[in-house]
Amino acid sequence: TQLLEQSPQFLSIQEGENLTVYCNSSSVFSSLQWYRQEPGEGPVLLVTVVTGGEVKKLKRLTFQFGDARKDSSLHITAAQPGDTGLYLCAGSGAGSYQLTFGKGTKLSVIP
Amino acid sequence: DAGITQSPRYKITETGRQVTLMCHQTWSHSYMFWYRQDLGHGLRLIYYSAAADITDKGEVPDGYVVSRSKTENFPLTLESATRSQTSVYFCASSVGRQGGNEQFFGPGTRLTVL
Repeated sequence: TQLLEQSPQFLSIQEGENLTVYCNSSSVFSSLQWYRQEPGEGPVLLVTVVTGGEVKKLKRLTFQFGDARKDSSLHITAAQPGDTGLYLCAGSGAGSYQLTFGKGTKLSVIP
Repeated sequence: DAGITQSPRYKITETGRQVTLMCHQTWSHSYMFWYRQDLGHGLRLIYYSAAADITDKGEVPDGYVVSRSKTENFPLTLESATRSQTSVYFCASSVGRQGGNEQFFGPGTRLTVL
């Protein structure tokens, strides 16, 4: 069974601060995705990373896939209230179309 | 045009009743999934389907039944609802391996079992 551990579970910060969310596993994943979920809605994909060491940027969000493809991080620069939400990482094993989700990091950005 | 829809959005039922949650997607995606989301557990896979008439169990299938007679529909039935099945249920679809594993989620159904 592949497990993904996310940390921290909860994060409350002031607007303009930087933050990093972590997603760790003892298993190797062929790809890893980050989703954001807002209250009352389903998760929406932010990014997919597939290569060890890969870094992708989406405006103020920077995503990194670990060299061994067992972990990932999401860094937000100068957080905005609009960044508030539940951030989920999800991994896919080789040849699998199923996703294993972490439990999520609930981010609150205070104006 | 709507993508992936779920109905109803909210449902209250009583213990022992049968409940069916509907999921419809307009993309003709091959793969469809049902998850439940609970505090402290995250998203857990209940059932999934690779194509019409092909379904398989996920992590927490007990008490649930699915069918997929048409590619676009993937209903989830709780045969005899229990309080432990109170949850938010999400349906998702995906192109599959060749297109990447991105999953597109519906808005969810909040189910309360009294």
